This record gives sequence, C-alpha cells and structure tokens, in this order.
Amino acid sequence: QLQLQESGPGLVKPSETLSLTCTVSGGSISSSSYYWGWIRQPPGKGLEWIGSIYYSGTTYYNPSLKSRVTVSVDTSKNHFSLKLSSVTAADTAVYYCARQSGYYNPAHFDYWGQGTLVTVSS
Amino acid sequence: EIVLTQSPATLSLSPGERATLSCGASQSVSSRYLAWYQQKPGLAPRLLIYDTFSRATGIPDRFSGSGSGTDFTLTISRLEPEDFAVYYCQQYGSSPQTFGGGTKVEI
Repeated sequence: QLQLQESGPGLVKPSETLSLTCTVSGGSISSSSYYWGWIRQPPGKGLEWIGSIYYSGTTYYNPSLKSRVTVSVDTSKNHFSLKLSSVTAADTAVYYCARQSGYYNPAHFDYWGQGTLVTVSS
Repeated sequence: EIVLTQSPATLSLSPGERATLSCGASQSVSSRYLAWYQQKPGLAPRLLIYDTFSRATGIPDRFSGSGSGTDFTLTISRLEPEDFAVYYCQQYGSSPQTFGGGTKVEI
C-alpha cells in the first residue's frame, strides 16, 4: 500500500522559507505515469494546488506562487520536497503531498499524505 | 486559468436521499479531465471520480460522475451516513490545474 508522509517545521517566521519533505513508502517515486504534488488548504478554506514534479525533475507550478516555490525530488531517498520563500500569514495552511496519475501531464490525485499544519507567525 | 464554481455551497439532505452536486467551469474542460474528491474533517481528501466518469478504486457505485464542456455533476444515489462531508471538484485539462470551492453535504 502506497503511503506518503509530510515532515517539516510546524512554525515558520514571516519572511522566512517554508520547507517540507514528503517521504514515499510502499512504492517507487521513479515510477512512470506518476507525478508528485503539493496542495495546501488554509484553515476552514478550500484546496489550492502549489506544484508538481516528475521523477526526472520536470516541474509544474501554480503561476500565483511560482516566483516563491521550488519543488525538488530525490529518487535515492524516495522523497520530494517543497520550498516556499518569503512566507506571510496568508501561507498558513495544512500542506498535503500527493501522488498524481498522468501520462503527459499531472492529472488527478489518487494517494494523499495526512497533511501537516504550517503556521506562519513570529 | 479555469475557475470552477461549485453549487450549492451547502446541501442539506437525509440518509437515503439522492444528492446532486454541480461544478461549473469558466471555460471548457479539456478531454473531460475533471475529478471529484470527498473530504471529512481533519482528514485528507479522498479521490472519488476521475476523468469525469471513472470511479476510483474501492469507491461504491452509489457515486457517479457525468458532464462535459463546462458543466459537471457528482451524484450520490442514496446517501449513507458516512457520505456527509465536503466535496471538491478539480480540473486538470488546462494548466494551472484548479479546484472548486467545495460543497458541504450535511444532514
């Protein structure tokens, strides 16, 4: 059974960089036909796609966050990571990592991590 | 980007009733690349339907999806107690992929 687990600080100061890692178990991050994505959900609000990556390193970003986001993959450790720079209180959210099916582009999210709350506060 | 508008925002129904949830897109969704998710409090979303019609693994057949172009529907034929949750649609036919604002199905 594929499992994804987010890890990283739960509290980040304004203007600093949020860093999270998603560790994949029960399957290889190098599998073809799958992408690996980050989604966030502010408290009490809806879902927002942040960005996705293929095991080769090809990335896809939400234009609204692109200038501040970096998604990377480490196939040797079977994990992928998110960095979001210059954070503000508006970046406070539950951050999910998830697997995306897709042949030519990322598609639907079929496996999700449990999510991790990141609060931006001094 | 394609904006997805879900309606109604809240749907109040009883167990055994039929639920019809709508997802409207600001532009046509390419190749019917639309998915539906269910989210319960404190949990991650769960994939129900992908590519408009296809049920994800383990999803009961009381959940069905339909639609094309700019209008999509998730139907729950007979609500079970465990179906009361928030439902989101997602389009992945055009970049950036986007989510709707959600419909809460409550008792």
